[in-house]
Amino acid sequence: TQLLEQSPQFLSIQEGENLTVYCNSSSVFSSLQWYRQEPGEGPVLLVTVVTGGEVKKLKRLTFQFGDARKDSSLHITAAQPGDTGLYLCAGEGDMRFGAGTRLTVKP
Amino acid sequence: ETGVTQSPTHLIKTRGQQVTLRCSSQSGHNTVSWYQQALGQGPQFIFQYYREEENGRGNFPPRFSGLQFPNYSSELNVNALELDDSALYLCASSLTSGALYEQYFGPGTRLTVT
Repeated sequence: TQLLEQSPQFLSIQEGENLTVYCNSSSVFSSLQWYRQEPGEGPVLLVTVVTGGEVKKLKRLTFQFGDARKDSSLHITAAQPGDTGLYLCAGEGDMRFGAGTRLTVKP
Repeated sequence: ETGVTQSPTHLIKTRGQQVTLRCSSQSGHNTVSWYQQALGQGPQFIFQYYREEENGRGNFPPRFSGLQFPNYSSELNVNALELDDSALYLCASSLTSGALYEQYFGPGTRLTVT
């Protein structure tokens, strides 16, 4: 059973569009991590958020940790085909992952 | 610096058999975690080893067992394989256990049970 719920499950957009994916839980996490996984590969760590309300930017990716540290969002600006992949969130402490959002960016 | 490596890349086994998967952690990392990822799902935590001791376990039966060696490499053993064990098995290494840490994953071993 996944304690972290990610939405949407699937997202298909055109190159240049903006998007936001969400990671929600009823549990409080001391930190939360986002990963991207491409087919046939292991997940790659993108960012760790620690403080409630924290915002971190990684080029066109913006990560936010909820004030109560129960949820997080990932916003991608001007998506590119290279952003295609499975985006996973994981809560620190019990090593649980969400089921992921599968993003496809069409050229 | 060497990343996390796993072997073999792919494996086909028959129901009831036993399998051993191997993982070499990233240089300097003392913690290894194993995950099972079924098709279309997120990784499910199996267990973690820290300095050769099991340091946490997910909801997996005892036929899933592991070892960590003095050089921090690790093995995942699965006995009495079942069809539902077919999945991508991921190993992740990190520098610390429990508290804030960052995991680095290997490419995984794709296990197919027929």
